Amino acid sequence: EDQVTQSPEALRLQEGESSSLNCSYTVSGLRGLFWYRQDPGKGPEFLFTLYSAGEEKEKERLKATLTKKESFLHITAPKPEDSATYLCAVQASYGGSQGNLIFGKGTKLSVKP
Amino acid sequence: ETGVTQSPTHLIKTRGQQVTLRCSSQSGHNTVSWYQQALGQGPQFIFQYYREEENGRGNFPPRFSGLQFPNYSSELNVNALELDDSALYLCASSFPGKGETQYFGPGTRLLVL
Repeated sequence: EDQVTQSPEALRLQEGESSSLNCSYTVSGLRGLFWYRQDPGKGPEFLFTLYSAGEEKEKERLKATLTKKESFLHITAPKPEDSATYLCAVQASYGGSQGNLIFGKGTKLSVKP
Repeated sequence: ETGVTQSPTHLIKTRGQQVTLRCSSQSGHNTVSWYQQALGQGPQFIFQYYREEENGRGNFPPRFSGLQFPNYSSELNVNALELDDSALYLCASSFPGKGETQYFGPGTRLLVL
């Protein structure tokens, strides 16, 4: 069964304290792995798409990496405005619903000034 | 470029009623997916439409149905509402391709009493 597990469930950081969020996945052929940011009561905002092991992408203070079993979202010197829930999702190459995203439960990040 | 829009933003219904939620896709996107997000959970795939045809369905009962129109806008209909249908309903649009990125709207918050 395709599934995504994110850890930790919640993370509290001081402003400037770098850390990483983990996304472990099992999928019948990876078509793509996606990271989204979601603010309370709003829709997910797209951050990154990763396609193959070894791939890395960066955007401001965020860097996403991918291996064959997991992905990491590294946050360097976070600011309070980085506080949000970060969602990881995978898209499978095989199976009945190839187009859908399978999401983890998310990591709720709080950055204190 | 116009993003994904959804209406209404909030809705309150009573058990047994029917509801219709609407979504306008991002310009140039011909695929729309619907997700249900319960509080504290990741989004769950309901179904996807491509060129007005259903193109995959998640583990949701038939009382969840949808439509896609020639202009690629979409509707999600839910009959015989149950208390557990209370959630944030998200629409996402995309254009088919390798690991196509799905862009989400702001969501419709549905409360069933």
